[in-house]
Amino acid sequence: KQEVTQIPAALSVPEGENLVLNCSFTDSAIYNLQWFRQDPGKGLTSLLLIQSSQREQTSGRLNASLDKSSGRSTLYIAASQPGDSATYLCAAPVGSQGNLIFGKGTKLSVKP
Amino acid sequence: NAGVTQTPKFQVLKTGQSMTLQCAQDMNHNSMYWYRQDPGMGLRLIYYSASEGTTDKGEVPNGYNVSRLNKREFSLRLESAAPSQTSVYFCASSFRGLNTEAFFGQGTRLTVV
Repeated sequence: KQEVTQIPAALSVPEGENLVLNCSFTDSAIYNLQWFRQDPGKGLTSLLLIQSSQREQTSGRLNASLDKSSGRSTLYIAASQPGDSATYLCAAPVGSQGNLIFGKGTKLSVKP
Repeated sequence: NAGVTQTPKFQVLKTGQSMTLQCAQDMNHNSMYWYRQDPGMGLRLIYYSASEGTTDKGEVPNGYNVSRLNKREFSLRLESAAPSQTSVYFCASSFRGLNTEAFFGQGTRLTVV
C-alpha cells in the first residue's frame, strides 16, 4: 500500500533563501507525482506534475525532481518570497485511476 | 475559466440532518473524486468515479453516498450527519492514464453540531 511522507511538517526561512521540500513514497511503481500548494482556508492549487519517465519538471522558480529508485521527490523553490508562504502537499496516484495518496504537507513560512 | 466548482462553500448541520454537496467540472475529465481534509489526518479519499456511470469506495466511505449524475457532475450526500463528519470536503477531477493531473475545487467547510 502506498504511503507518502513529508518532512519537516513546518519550515521557516528568511526571504531570498533557496529551499527544498521533501516527499518520500513507499511504492516506486508510480505513474507520476504531483505537488500542490494550499493557502489557509483555500483549495489545492496544482503546481507541478512530474511523470515517472521524467527526472525533473520546472515552472518559474519551482523545480520538482523525482527519483523512483529511492522513493523520493523534492520541490526546489528559488529565491523565496513572503508570498510563497503556504502549505505544500505532494501526492502519488494509485495506479492509473488517479486516486491520490497525500502526504500531510509542509507548512512553509517565508519571513520578510 | 471555472475548472472545478463546489457548492456550498460553508454549511452548518444539526446531527441527523441530511445534505448534498454539489460538484461540477468543465475540463471534460473522465474521473472525479471526493476527499475530506482533517487536521492531523491530511486528505483522505471518500469516493471516486472513474467514468460516467461508475462509482467506487475510497478510504473513508462510511456515512456517505455519491452520484455521478453525468460526465460533469459528481455529488456527495450525507444521509444522517454526525459530528465526526465535521470536515472540509474537496471535489477534484482528472483524466485517467499517465496524465492524472488533478484539479481541485475550493472546498466546502461543513460543521455538524
